[in-house]
Amino acid sequence: SQQGEEDPQALSIQEGENATMNCSYKTSINNLQWYRQNSGRGLVHLILIRSNEREKHSGRLRVTLDTSKKSSSLLITASRAADTASYFCAPSGTDKLIFGTGTRLQVFP
Amino acid sequence: ETGVTQSPTHLIKTRGQQVTLRCSSQSGHNTVSWYQQALGQGPQFIFQYYREEENGRGNFPPRFSGLQFPNYSSELNVNALELDDSALYLCASTWTSGPQETQYFGPGTRLLVL
Repeated sequence: SQQGEEDPQALSIQEGENATMNCSYKTSINNLQWYRQNSGRGLVHLILIRSNEREKHSGRLRVTLDTSKKSSSLLITASRAADTASYFCAPSGTDKLIFGTGTRLQVFP
Repeated sequence: ETGVTQSPTHLIKTRGQQVTLRCSSQSGHNTVSWYQQALGQGPQFIFQYYREEENGRGNFPPRFSGLQFPNYSSELNVNALELDDSALYLCASTWTSGPQETQYFGPGTRLLVL
């Protein structure tokens, strides 16, 4: 199974700033997904990028994927206090989704 | 809202007891996965059910078992509870067991074992 490793473990920014989180993995994938989790709640799917895609956008989210470096990044532009949450990447091969420990993002008003 | 519900929301048990957690998937989703999430950690995969059969298991002992029913509901059963079983338990459903597509998570059941 595949596990993503998120970096940094924690990130604190001011509202309006951009937040960038990175994910690294070890083996080949079919797709990579990013999820958000508000404190103590279920995970919410943010975006899925397939292995043949390099960049994908969804609203204020931009995800990149570099399969040669086995890494992905999630950029949240113009952050808001409501973006405060933990963010997880989940690289997916032919096996089940395995989550890392996540990046805890704190956005201060 | 993901359309996935879980019950109960919170539960307190004592060591050695048994517990059953329930999940109701989105209509049409034939695959359900269960995860255990300890405080400060990412969700750990317990197992997955596809069309009512277990279809993959993580590194959890046999006292963790599950069932999936034709009406898109499922159960996670844990026997002989241990203190370390205290965690948030999440179920997630999707409509395929192939290369993992988007999973839709429920809000979780928080279990405390005393």
